[in-house]
This record gives sequence, C-alpha cells and structure tokens, in this order.
Amino acid sequence: DVKVTQSSRYLVKRTGEKVFLECVQDMDHENMFWYRQDPGLGLRLIYFSYDVKMKEKGDIPEGYSVSREKKERFSLILESASTNQTSMYLCASRRQGAMNTEAFFGQGTRLTVV
Amino acid sequence: TQLLEQSPQFLSIQEGENLTVYCNSSSVFSSLQWYRQESGEGPVLLVTVVTGGEVKKLKRLTFQFGDARKDSSLHITAAQPGDTGLYLCAGPSYNTDKLIFGTGTRLQVFP
Repeated sequence: DVKVTQSSRYLVKRTGEKVFLECVQDMDHENMFWYRQDPGLGLRLIYFSYDVKMKEKGDIPEGYSVSREKKERFSLILESASTNQTSMYLCASRRQGAMNTEAFFGQGTRLTVV
Repeated sequence: TQLLEQSPQFLSIQEGENLTVYCNSSSVFSSLQWYRQESGEGPVLLVTVVTGGEVKKLKRLTFQFGDARKDSSLHITAAQPGDTGLYLCAGPSYNTDKLIFGTGTRLQVFP
C-alpha cells in the first residue's frame, strides 16, 4: 500500500519558533510538494521539489523554506513562525514526467501558532 | 499565475438530489484531475480528464472536460451521505510537473 507519511497530525508552536514539518514517501517518486490548506482557498502550493536538493517556489513561499536531502524525505521549515501561518499543511508526492499521474497525499499536519 | 476557480464554494443538499460542481480557468490545461478529501484525510484522486470534450463516468459521478480545456464539471446523480467531502480540481501548471489546485467545493449531503 503506497504511503505518504507526515510526522505530526497536530502541532502547537509559539510565535517566533523555528518549526519543522517532515514528510516521507515510500513510492520512489521524484516529485514532492508542500501545500497549505485554508477554508475557501483550496490548496495553495508553497514549494515543489523535483529531485534531491532541487526545489521551486510555489505561489506562497514567503516565510517558508524546504529541504530535500534524500529522495524519500521532504521537509518544510518555518524559520520564525507567525500566527498567520496557522493552517493545515499537506505533503504530496507524484511520479515525474507524466503530467496525468496521481498525487498521493499525507494526512496533513494541523499547525497552530500561538 | 494560473488559477482554478471552483463554484459553488459550499453545497448542502438532501440525499437523492443531483448537483453539479464547476472548475474554471482563463488558462488552457493539458489535463485536469478531480480529488475528494474527507474529514481528517488527504485528498484522493477520483479521475483524470485529458481530451477536450471528454466525459468520464465513475458510478454516479460524471466528469466533463471543456472543449477548450479551460474548464471542467463534476455532476453527481442521486447524492448520498457518503459523497460528503471537499471536492478539488487540479491541473499541471504550464504543462510542468507542478500541480496546482482549485479553491474547492465543500459538499454536505444530509440523509
């Protein structure tokens, strides 16, 4: 059974903290994604990685960075958490090269910044 | 930036009713996908449409890709409570591997 696993379902962090959200996939996919989900806004792409150490900014990269040191792991970093980063964060992976392939998602991390 | 706008944003109906959800863009997409997200889970793929004018059926769900490949619709016949969830359309940004999503339609079907 294919799987994308996010390290935490719920996180509560304080303003100004550095926050790490971890995502691991077991499908050997080249592409991995971090999305932010807010009511009425759908899924907004934060960052996209198409290979180890390779990344592209999505639509809302401000305040975030990412790390992909191994193919199976893609980390989202909030350098200094702020209350407006309170949201649901979803990680996904997808096979490269075929634009019609399925994206597989983790269960999400609900982050609250207080 | 390519945008996918969905309508309506919310839909609350009784079991047995029919409904249609729309996904629109000013940009042409090589393909569009529809995902459903249930509470507490990540989105799961329902269907991919790749040819302008294409119609695909998945039991009571009918998906259509517009002739100009700028829009898509999802029609549900005789909705059931199990259809409750968030429906999202998605497409490849500028024909790359980068996948962008629509604004979502939250459907609630009451028994």
